[in-house]
Amino acid sequence: SQQGEEDPQALSIQEGENATMNCSYKTSINNLQWYRQNSGRGLVHLILIRSNEREKHSGRLRVTLDTSKKSSSLLITASRAADTASYFCATDGGGTSYGKLTFGQGTILTVHP
Amino acid sequence: DGGITQSPKYLFRKEGQNVTLSCEQNLNHDAMYWYRQDPGQGLRLIYYSQIVNDFQKGDIAEGYSVSREKKESFPLTVTSAQKNPTAFYLCASRALDRRNQPQHFGDGTRLSIL
Repeated sequence: SQQGEEDPQALSIQEGENATMNCSYKTSINNLQWYRQNSGRGLVHLILIRSNEREKHSGRLRVTLDTSKKSSSLLITASRAADTASYFCATDGGGTSYGKLTFGQGTILTVHP
Repeated sequence: DGGITQSPKYLFRKEGQNVTLSCEQNLNHDAMYWYRQDPGQGLRLIYYSQIVNDFQKGDIAEGYSVSREKKESFPLTVTSAQKNPTAFYLCASRALDRRNQPQHFGDGTRLSIL
């Protein structure tokens, strides 16, 4: 079953602008991960945030996690045309589902040069 | 280079035919996963394995079968019982020796019906 719901489904911005994508989930998690997928390719891991963390940075990426609202956001600053891709959040529920991921539907990001 | 290799990149299936998708990893990961992705959708888990000679059904296992005879290999068979097999199939692996590890993905196999 799909636990994550992503918002918006599609986002179109100009190069240099910031892009924000949101993810909501339903059950408790061990960690939440963000992945990028270029057209016709596999997924590439971007960043993992643990359930006891609130914010994490990696280069131009900033991820926040609010476990009380069961939501996360991914911010890409100073976007580039090369950032054009689909972005997915995935939750790791821990416990007996340790290591298994449940993916959201994804956000399609288009960055215009 | 360490990574996951999926083959073939494109595969065509005839009516009533079983086809097997290959997934090999040289990352020494214990866990391996198979996902199905339909156009504009997220990934859905078909099967996963955390140890050699053992595997579990995911959310959409009907019409699929797997084996895990070697740590490096986790082939997926799409059987004739899978009536709607056209999709993009992704294989992934993960280390289990530490917590909070990401999954690593191959570049996928696109399966179509002839």
